[in-house]
Amino acid sequence: NAGVTQTPKFRVLKTGQSMTLLCAQDMNHEYMYWYRQDPGMGLRLIHYSVGEGTTAKGEVPDGYNVSRLKKQNFLLGLESAAPSQTSVYFCASSRLAGGETQYFGPGTRLLVL
Amino acid sequence: GDSVTQMEGPVTLSEEAFLTINCTYTATGYPSLFWYVQYPGEGLQLLLKATKADDKGSNKGFEATYRKETTSFHLEKGSVQVSDSAVYFCALTYSGGYQKVTFGIGTKLQVIP
Repeated sequence: NAGVTQTPKFRVLKTGQSMTLLCAQDMNHEYMYWYRQDPGMGLRLIHYSVGEGTTAKGEVPDGYNVSRLKKQNFLLGLESAAPSQTSVYFCASSRLAGGETQYFGPGTRLLVL
Repeated sequence: GDSVTQMEGPVTLSEEAFLTINCTYTATGYPSLFWYVQYPGEGLQLLLKATKADDKGSNKGFEATYRKETTSFHLEKGSVQVSDSAVYFCALTYSGGYQKVTFGIGTKLQVIP
């Protein structure tokens, strides 16, 4: 039981390049989330999904897109990376939504030059 | 809107010292409260939670009591170890349907031998 996994662990991009971060969970959770973590700002929700085929915007969605084609996977895309997107990205999942524990992946460190 | 306030730190303690990390919140309803811990290089993991007023959450020697009258959920441990060095996040959310999780900025704890 791997829990929540994220690939890649670390990536360096040049401004304007695109990339996709992959999140996978093996707990059959309905809800999945993408957060970014920046110093002094805690965690901020980028996008989330309440089930296969559904996605919704969080607090800071601009510059990101997501897809949830399979229940176990949640992809985060950056179409044209900017230095402001340098951050640590965490994926999380939960069995249900309200009041439930979220299970986090180990994170992806992204540096945009 | 909802908010969670905690000091960023770092909090530096000697091994076996008593730990208190303060967390206060502002909520529009009756939330569930959580403490998550992030060890170096890892994602967040649930440490403890409480779902209603006067509940006490506990785990691994850590405790926190949901105080509605003071809108607080302070984290305590009687004797910290070097292995407790981590970042601690206080968070709140609500039950029922999708509900956003509001995180504090995280408090870094450093325990020295």
